[in-house]
Amino acid sequence: AQSVTQPDIHITVSEGASLELRCNYSYGATPYLFWYVQSPGQGLQLLLKYFSGDTLVQGIKGFEAEFKRSQSSFNLRKPSVHWSDAAEYFCAVEDYKLSFGAGTTVTVRA
Amino acid sequence: DAGVIQSPRHEVTEMGQEVTLRCKPISGHNSLFWYRQTMMRGLELLIYFNNNVPIDDSGMPEDRFSAKMPNASFSTLKIQPSEPRDSAVYFCASSLARQGASTEAFFGQGTRLTVV
Repeated sequence: AQSVTQPDIHITVSEGASLELRCNYSYGATPYLFWYVQSPGQGLQLLLKYFSGDTLVQGIKGFEAEFKRSQSSFNLRKPSVHWSDAAEYFCAVEDYKLSFGAGTTVTVRA
Repeated sequence: DAGVIQSPRHEVTEMGQEVTLRCKPISGHNSLFWYRQTMMRGLELLIYFNNNVPIDDSGMPEDRFSAKMPNASFSTLKIQPSEPRDSAVYFCASSLARQGASTEAFFGQGTRLTVV
């Protein structure tokens, strides 16, 4: 069965600093991978997705993610974090349904 | 499109009462999912419908939970009788599933259920 692991439960980053969130997946075939963001009291919003092709994927809000098959990873990055990026981030793998990681909470300090 | 619409946004009910959560998926989408989010268990898939037919209900906790999709524009998740441990945020999501293509799921705002 497919699964994803997000090793970091909580990350604190200074505004303007770079951010990297880790995601490792387990899937037998070529995975469809997603990153979602959830602000407090809100639903999940898609940041970006990987289906095939270019391993560096650009998303909304200045986020990007890199698919590395050799490492079974799909890490999310942002070069310069804004206070509004404080939220919970979920990595997910799809096999007709989405299986989510446990999530990483990002706190942005001034 | 207004996106996936869930109602109510908040529900507080007493233990033993019946609770019905509602979802209107995005028009044209053929797949619908019900997820439950708790601190302890994260996001769990409860049930998945494709073309209004339940395909995978292995995540439904027990017989107290039931879900229906009478048509392409409406689904319900019912809990009867409700228990305090059912307290969670319930999300509905929809997508357009196509053979061999990745499908982006769009989520509703969720229903926060509190059973006292």
